Amino acid sequence: NAGVMQNPRHLVRRRGQEARLRCSPMKGHSHVYWYRQLPEEGLKFMVYLQKENIIDESGMPKERFSAEFPKEGPSILRIQQVVRGDSAAYFCASSPPSRQNTEAFFGQGTRLTVV
Amino acid sequence: GNSVTQMEGPVTLSEEAFLTINCTYTATGYPSLFWYVQYPGEGLQLLLKATKADDKGSNKGFEATYRKETTSFHLEKGSVQVSDSAVYFCALSGTGADGLTFGKGTHLIIQP
Repeated sequence: NAGVMQNPRHLVRRRGQEARLRCSPMKGHSHVYWYRQLPEEGLKFMVYLQKENIIDESGMPKERFSAEFPKEGPSILRIQQVVRGDSAAYFCASSPPSRQNTEAFFGQGTRLTVV
Repeated sequence: GNSVTQMEGPVTLSEEAFLTINCTYTATGYPSLFWYVQYPGEGLQLLLKATKADDKGSNKGFEATYRKETTSFHLEKGSVQVSDSAVYFCALSGTGADGLTFGKGTHLIIQP
C-alpha cells in the first residue's frame, strides 16, 4: 500500500512561470490537504479538498493559487506567475473518509524554488 | 477556532539528556492530539497520538499524555539520541471543517 505520493520532489521555476504540484493520496483516502512550509517557519494550512469539491480554502492566497481534486487522477496545486516569495516546501496529506479525529498521512513534499 | 502553541526552538541537548517539548491547545469539543516528526529533507511522519483525555501515546521511547484539564500534550523522552534530531510538530484534529491544526514546530538538536 503506497503512501502519499507527491511529484515532483524538486521544482525550479523562473519568475512568471506556472508551477504544478501533484499529489496522489493513499489508497482509500478521499480527503486531501495542502500545506506550505516556508524556511524556518511552521506548516501553514492552505486548502482542504474532497473529490471534486473544495471544502476549505481559507489558507490559500486569493490570487495566483488554485487547487483541484478531480474524480480521477491526483490532486493538483497550481501556482500561476510564480514569484520568489513562493519558494517553499509544499506538503500534501491525505486521510480516510472518516476524517474527524483521525491523523493525516503526509507525502515527501515538493520543494519549489523560484529563480 | 482551533490553535496549537508549542515551545519555540531550537532546543539543544546532549545525548542521553531528558527531553520535554511543551504543547498546549485550544479547541472546541474533544479533539485528537498528535505529535509529528520531520527529519531533514523529509515529509512529516506521525510519531504518536492520543484520542481522548488521559490517553498516553508512545512510540520509539517518546511519550505524551492527553491532559484535558490543562489542555496540554507535552512530548517527553527519557534519554535522547543524536538520531532524534529533527523538527517536532504538535497537532490536533477536531470535529470542524478544517484539517489538522499544527503548532509552529520545535527544532531539536542533539549533540554527541
